[in-house]
Amino acid sequence: GAGVSQSPRYKVAKRGQDVALRCDPISGHVSLFWYQQALGQGPEFLTYFQNEAQLDKSGLPSDRFFAERPEGSVSTLKIQRTQQEDSAVYLCASSLVGSTDTQYFGPGTRLTVL
Amino acid sequence: QQQVKQSPQSLIVQKGGISIINCAYENTAFDYFPWYQQFPGKGPALLIAIRPDVSEKKEGRFTISFNKSAKQFSLHIMDSQPGDSATYFCAASMMSGAQKLVFGQGTRLTINP
Repeated sequence: GAGVSQSPRYKVAKRGQDVALRCDPISGHVSLFWYQQALGQGPEFLTYFQNEAQLDKSGLPSDRFFAERPEGSVSTLKIQRTQQEDSAVYLCASSLVGSTDTQYFGPGTRLTVL
Repeated sequence: QQQVKQSPQSLIVQKGGISIINCAYENTAFDYFPWYQQFPGKGPALLIAIRPDVSEKKEGRFTISFNKSAKQFSLHIMDSQPGDSATYFCAASMMSGAQKLVFGQGTRLTINP
């Protein structure tokens, strides 16, 4: 009966390194979302999956950001050649099916790029 | 372009008082309006949500008031308690098409004992 889990909880990267952030959604949840939350701001949408299909990636800030959910469960957000402006909390959320089903958020991964 | 504007940025209320947070949206296609509560180090958690076919929804001490013509909605917390101290986010989304939540900037609420 666990909620959404994310790992690692904290990640420090040197500028230019690649990072991979993992999200384990609630079992059976079809929809999965990634959001980016800058310090003191509201979360901003990055991308959305329905099962393994990435239906919306309009929020990804650059082609350095890539997300996948190959088996329709666990998802990975990858950031290549990290920049200081990538420093933020990356939140994953899952919901049962549709847009008005409650989105349950994980605790986030705090990424700091030095 | 900020599609959902939230105010105030911070709010201090005495224990037992009423906390009021306001949001305004621009996109008339939005038709689902949730409020999320976030504690430090945690992800946002759904508090209460409303759809535009009703003007008010109440759950315990929490009430959403919705004004479709003004494109505004607000959260009222009655009998505010120190445990309510958190950051609150309003959000909006569309029930069809795009699935994403568009969040306001957040309100840091402090309830003084």
